Amino acid sequence: AQRVTQPEKLLSVFKGAPVELKCNYSYSGSPELFWYVQYSRQRLQLLLRHISRESIKGFTADLNKGETSFHLKKPFAQEEDSAMYYCALKGGGAQKLVFGQGTRLTINP
Amino acid sequence: GAGVSQSPSNKVTEKGKDVELRCDPISGHTALYWYRQSLGQGLEFLIYFQGNSAPDKSGLPSDRFSAERTGGSVSTLTIQRTQQEDSAVYLCASSLNLGSGNTIYFGEGSWLTVV
Repeated sequence: AQRVTQPEKLLSVFKGAPVELKCNYSYSGSPELFWYVQYSRQRLQLLLRHISRESIKGFTADLNKGETSFHLKKPFAQEEDSAMYYCALKGGGAQKLVFGQGTRLTINP
Repeated sequence: GAGVSQSPSNKVTEKGKDVELRCDPISGHTALYWYRQSLGQGLEFLIYFQGNSAPDKSGLPSDRFSAERTGGSVSTLTIQRTQQEDSAVYLCASSLNLGSGNTIYFGEGSWLTVV
């Protein structure tokens, strides 16, 4: 079965501090991992995907197959990073995304 | 429009009534998805379409839920005999094609409240 776990429902850090949003997954094969973000009053949108190995808005995420994790990191948080973040997995031939329950990130000034 | 469009944006209905939720995907997108987001829950997969076909209906919670897509474009999610537990945000998404490398774009959702 495919499962995504985001252990923190809420995360609060100060502006300028490092941020790490945790994501662990359960899947026996080689998954595709994604981070989606939903800013206040906006639609859910893709932040980054592991196959692109890119940095978006200063965020990066590395797939660690040994630890089955895909944690999202940013070295210096900004107030505009406050949002709901969802980790998602797509496995094998399945076309659906399986989402974690999300982490609400609040950046305090 | 430039994005996935959903209607109605908000719907309040009485328990036992039927509701229809509409999704207009991005033009040219062959894949279309429905998800549900309940209060305090993550996003729950309901169904996806490739063209007009729905290869995976495994996420539909009961036989009160059905969905169709016509002309490879607009999709309708129908909930019959609504129950209070059906109250949620119903999200539609689309992608150019299925498979790796295809970004899935979401609509703003339809808020359904069953009273």
